[in-house]
Formats: sequence, C-alpha cells, structure tokens
Amino acid sequence: EPEVTQTPSHQVTQMGQEVILRCVPISNHLYFYWYRQILGQKVEFLVSFYNNEISEKSEIFDDQFSVERPDGSNFTLKIRSTKLEDSAMYFCASSEAEGLGKLFFGSGTQLSVL
Amino acid sequence: GDSVTQMEGPVTLSEEAFLTINCTYTATGYPSLFWYVQYPGEGLQLLLKATKADDKGSNKGFEATYRKETTSFHLEKGSVQVSDSAVYFCASGFGNEKLTFGTGTRLTIIP
Repeated sequence: EPEVTQTPSHQVTQMGQEVILRCVPISNHLYFYWYRQILGQKVEFLVSFYNNEISEKSEIFDDQFSVERPDGSNFTLKIRSTKLEDSAMYFCASSEAEGLGKLFFGSGTQLSVL
Repeated sequence: GDSVTQMEGPVTLSEEAFLTINCTYTATGYPSLFWYVQYPGEGLQLLLKATKADDKGSNKGFEATYRKETTSFHLEKGSVQVSDSAVYFCASGFGNEKLTFGTGTRLTIIP
C-alpha cells in the first residue's frame, strides 16, 4: 500500500539553527499538510498546501516556518531559526482530494531543539 | 475555537475485553468526526468517520456514533485483540482537511 515517507525520523538541533523536515507524499495526491504534536498535547494543524501554494495556515505557522514542494515529489517544512518550543513530533500528510477527511500520514519526525 | 477532548490514557485491557474510548467535541456548526489510529512505528491512519448526526462509522470491529445531543463520538469495540494496541486519535473537521485532533489515547491489550 502506498505510504507517506518522512525523513529523518529524529532530528536534534541547537536553538537558532535552521532545520528542514522532509516528506514524500503519496504520488497521486494533490493536497499536502503539516501537523505537529508537542509531547502530551494535541495534534495541531500547521499548514495545508495545494497547487504549489499555501491554502491555509494556523497561527502557529509564523514567519519562521515555510513549506515548499521543490521537485514534484518532496514536500518540505523549514523552520528558519528554531526555538525550544518548536520541539515536537512533526507529521506530514497528504490526501487525494478535499472533503473526504481521509488523510494519509507519515510516521513523523521527532524534532528536539536544545 | 473548535476543540476535541478525548479520554486520558493510557488504557490497558485484557484480550477480548470491551473497549470504550470517550471523545467529545466543541464546534461552531456540525463537523465531520473521525477516529485515526497510529500503530507503533507507523503514521496515523483513518479508522472510521461519520459526517452527520446519528451516522455510525465502523471498521475492523470498531464503531462510533455521531451524537449531536451530547456532542460525542465515542469509540467502541466489543472484543479487543492484542493487535489493537495503538494510539487512537479523535478528530473533527469541516471538509478542508484542517482537522482538530485530541491528544490521543494509548491502548495496550494484554494477552
């Protein structure tokens, strides 16, 4: 069964450094998302992306965050200058169409900011 | 804003026991409701969903009924198996895939 692939599974970085989290969505999917879960808290929506542009973003997704689909297969989340509170599990997801509620998630990247 | 509250975990049950994981939501309007499951080492995957009041979603022996009057979507299974051990997430959404999730409930089934 096709799956969403995320790399790396764990990322450790120093505060203030830039990180790029990588995702390969399912190949025929058109909609892409990033969610995150801080330890012990809820899974939170960050951003949705369609047709090479952001379609919606949450309050969390400030100027430190950006997303890109550089080559038609990868979907990346960049955090420009990481803060301690960015430590979380980051989930990439994709869907074939809107309105079905059927997201396919990757297994996540655990980001630890020291 | 919209929110989802689900039963605190972890939950530990013996095989063949009855499972209930409670979930309630708050929303402006009537969202679609979902249960996602995350097995160890894997991503979240949709388990079941219901799109309107009184709908029942079901899959793999799990069921949940959309109760508008109690704003609930409790997950149930009559006889759990060891392979059901996972983290279960309740979520709501209005069709644009910007889902609102709960914190997740870790379920462990003991043989």
